[in-house]
Amino acid sequence: AQSVTQLDSHVSVSEGTPVLLRCNYSSSYSPSLFWYVQHPNKGLQLLLKYTSAATLVKGINGFEAEFKKSETSFHLTKPSAHMSDAAEYFCVVSGGATNKLIFGTGTLLAVQP
Amino acid sequence: SQTIHQWPATLVQPVGSPLSLECTVEGTSNPNLYWYRQAAGRGLQLLFYSVGIGQISSEVPQNLSASRPQDRQFILSSKKLLLSDSGFYLCAWTPGASGNTIYFGEGSWLTVV
Repeated sequence: AQSVTQLDSHVSVSEGTPVLLRCNYSSSYSPSLFWYVQHPNKGLQLLLKYTSAATLVKGINGFEAEFKKSETSFHLTKPSAHMSDAAEYFCVVSGGATNKLIFGTGTLLAVQP
Repeated sequence: SQTIHQWPATLVQPVGSPLSLECTVEGTSNPNLYWYRQAAGRGLQLLFYSVGIGQISSEVPQNLSASRPQDRQFILSSKKLLLSDSGFYLCAWTPGASGNTIYFGEGSWLTVV
């Protein structure tokens, strides 16, 4: 069975400070992991994905995530937040023959000026 | 190129009425197909997924059902809607191989009154 837990439902940072959005997963398979972002009134956009290659994955808009198998984590980070980063972020796990994708409950990121 | 279409985009239905949301994918064959629901303040919940015609897996007990009458057509239905069925429904597809990106439809806003 697979599951994903986003540890924070809301995160607030100041513009220019680092961003950390936490995600832990559980999977019976070697998982693929994704981060998606959803801006208000817009569709879901893929930020980055891990598929058993390099454990440090770089995505769009300066985001990156590190796959840590020992900690079953895939936390999303960005060195310096921008106002345009304010959105909801979803961690996703998939794996197995059916490639079923399981979404986390989301983390709402607020960026203060 | 591949495209996914989902309709209707919005609908308001009375309690007890039936529901039919339709989704079609173009430009690919044998996709994995998904129905997700995003309720207010919650994450994306997987409702159904399908790896082939007539093959439907239900993730949570609910008032909804899904069907896949053709390879690239996925239908979400209900015989009698409940107030709790209100939410944002997303159809999605993946190529079927592990680790591939998921592609979402435009979404359908359902309000049950």
